[in-house]
Amino acid sequence: EVQLVESGGGLVKPGGSLRLSCAASGFTFSDFSLNWVRQAPGKGLEWVSSISSTSEYIYYPNSMKGRFTISRDNPKNSLYLQMNSLRAEDTAVYYCTRGDSYGMDVWGQGTTVTVSS
Amino acid sequence: TQMTQSPSSLSASVGDRVTITCRASQTISTYLNWYRQQPGRAPEILIYDASTLQSGVPTRFSGSGSGTDFTLTISSLQSEDFATYYCQQSYRTPYTFGQGTKLEIK
Repeated sequence: EVQLVESGGGLVKPGGSLRLSCAASGFTFSDFSLNWVRQAPGKGLEWVSSISSTSEYIYYPNSMKGRFTISRDNPKNSLYLQMNSLRAEDTAVYYCTRGDSYGMDVWGQGTTVTVSS
Repeated sequence: TQMTQSPSSLSASVGDRVTITCRASQTISTYLNWYRQQPGRAPEILIYDASTLQSGVPTRFSGSGSGTDFTLTISSLQSEDFATYYCQQSYRTPYTFGQGTKLEIK
């Protein structure tokens, strides 16, 4: 079964850091681009970052450049998101997804990040 | 690229035909995808490349459009279709989503 499983979410104080992980199974991980997408409570979906299959291409929206870092470890079938200088507005469910120009066809169940003092 | 969906909410009954529209602020060719998010669950892809049905998705879902204007049609609503729908452009980064359309039971 094709699956993505996120972990690493939790409660963190403003200004703090958190590293999210996503474990993949059921497909050839190194063949696919991956993404992080987030959803604040009661809000819509927001793209956070994308990384190509070999890590050659990495993208962020301007609002997250410099604070968030995406990476992957193909031998470990794992995707990561390092989040620094966290703000209250980063509170959201963070989803790991597979895909690129032809849509995101696999989604994890999400991990919840809460930024609060 | 800003994505604008209409309507933001919609009331309908089981068996109804409904259409949701999505407009891009600049041309995106056919790099347009549709997702359904049921309450408490992760989104799932329905349509990619504007009109291609994702494997396993019921044929009551269809998509059309190119350039800046797109539509998602559900031919006969089922109970599991009462959910929130999002369009997303994948033509260029940042990959942007529409604000969502909440489909509710009338």
